[in-house]
Amino acid sequence: QVQLVQSGAEVKKPGSSVKVSCKASGGTFSTYSISWVRQAPAQGLEWVGRITPISNIVNYAQKFQGRVTVTADKSTTTAYMELSSLRPEDTAIYYCARDHGSGQLDFWGQGTLVTISS
Amino acid sequence: DIQLTQSPSFLSASVGDRVTITCRASQGISSFLAWYQQKPGKAPNLLIYAASTLQSGVPSRFSGSGSGTEFTLTISSLQPEDFATYYCQQLNSYPPITFGQGTRLDIK
Repeated sequence: QVQLVQSGAEVKKPGSSVKVSCKASGGTFSTYSISWVRQAPAQGLEWVGRITPISNIVNYAQKFQGRVTVTADKSTTTAYMELSSLRPEDTAIYYCARDHGSGQLDFWGQGTLVTISS
Repeated sequence: DIQLTQSPSFLSASVGDRVTITCRASQGISSFLAWYQQKPGKAPNLLIYAASTLQSGVPSRFSGSGSGTEFTLTISSLQPEDFATYYCQQLNSYPPITFGQGTRLDIK
């Protein structure tokens, strides 16, 4: 059983950066991908990006290109998502999720609330 | 990017009702579609993938069908714990992953 545990809530100022972690246990970290999905208050789900740790191949939603960096540390089975040049509209819950390989996200972290406020 | 449109956006129903939610894709995606359930304050939960394959542990009252551009999620007999928001997700042309806008299912 895969478990994903994310880092705690963050409050950031506009223009700064935030880095959220996602610690995986169970399963074999290198054999699947980790996607990041965000959800603004009372809004739907929005895919941010993905990493495949075995190859370190990353893919990003075009909307976030240039502002997001997704990395993974195989030694600690932890994935990271860093978002820079933060704006108030980046306020959201950020989830990591296991991408089973065909795109469906079958295990999710508990979510990390990132609040952007001056 | 492939766009997904769910209908209805809001649905009110009673325990025991049969409900159907539709997801339409802006172009054909074969059977590469998944459905998720999300309850308030919780992460989404995978219900169905490959349009009609039930994820392990999901009750059999949930079913999915469709291919190409039109898909449905059916709950055969609503239970109190089924009142939630449901999202479809396309898996055909990814990345990027795209989601429908969601369907909120409320108690009548």
